[in-house]
Amino acid sequence: DQQVKQNSPSLSVQEGRISILNCDYTNSMFDYFLWYKKYPAEGPTFLISISSIKDKNEDGRFTVFLNKSAKHLSLHIVPSQPGDSAVYFCAATNTGTASKLTFGTGTRLQVTL
Amino acid sequence: DVKVTQSSRYLVKRTGEKVFLECVQDMDHENMFWYRQDPGLGLRLIYFSYDVKMKEKGDIPEGYSVSREKKERFSLILESASTNQTSMYLCASVRGRDTEAFFGQGTRLTVV
Repeated sequence: DQQVKQNSPSLSVQEGRISILNCDYTNSMFDYFLWYKKYPAEGPTFLISISSIKDKNEDGRFTVFLNKSAKHLSLHIVPSQPGDSAVYFCAATNTGTASKLTFGTGTRLQVTL
Repeated sequence: DVKVTQSSRYLVKRTGEKVFLECVQDMDHENMFWYRQDPGLGLRLIYFSYDVKMKEKGDIPEGYSVSREKKERFSLILESASTNQTSMYLCASVRGRDTEAFFGQGTRLTVV
């Protein structure tokens, strides 16, 4: 039972354009969401997060949007850069239970020149 | 900076061997996790620990066990390695009731 889903396994975007990565979840107990970025042969690194009390969080080129009614979140990267090419994982947790993250299947983003 | 160190980057083991994957964190985090990453399946939680000598099963614990004798160290044990345990293994630590997990660099295990 996949509680966090990333339906697009891969995405290709031109440099300078916007990248939009999507994530859906089924567990209504999740109240905190995170995006991680992973390069090959490295561990994932934290990118940006959002609490369920917000619908948007922005950090530089990265913005995460949360639509609770649709149980959907998205990560926008603008402008996209070649160094953004990586696998992006969406993760969710319930802050009442703390710490334990449930991850999606990942989306491989390729930013082309 | 938080550092999570996994003992090996690459391992090749034979079917039936007992395999130990070690993870050490240097920031006094209470919580430690073991995940495996497989193509198309994302990161799946194997086991986690909220305290020394404490462990809880994750989503896919079968064929694995763990040990946490000291706060900074969390070991994953494959009792009898099988080819379907060929995977990338990732250790993570989290402070208290925080939500941000810090990951090690991963161990790519191949069972032949």
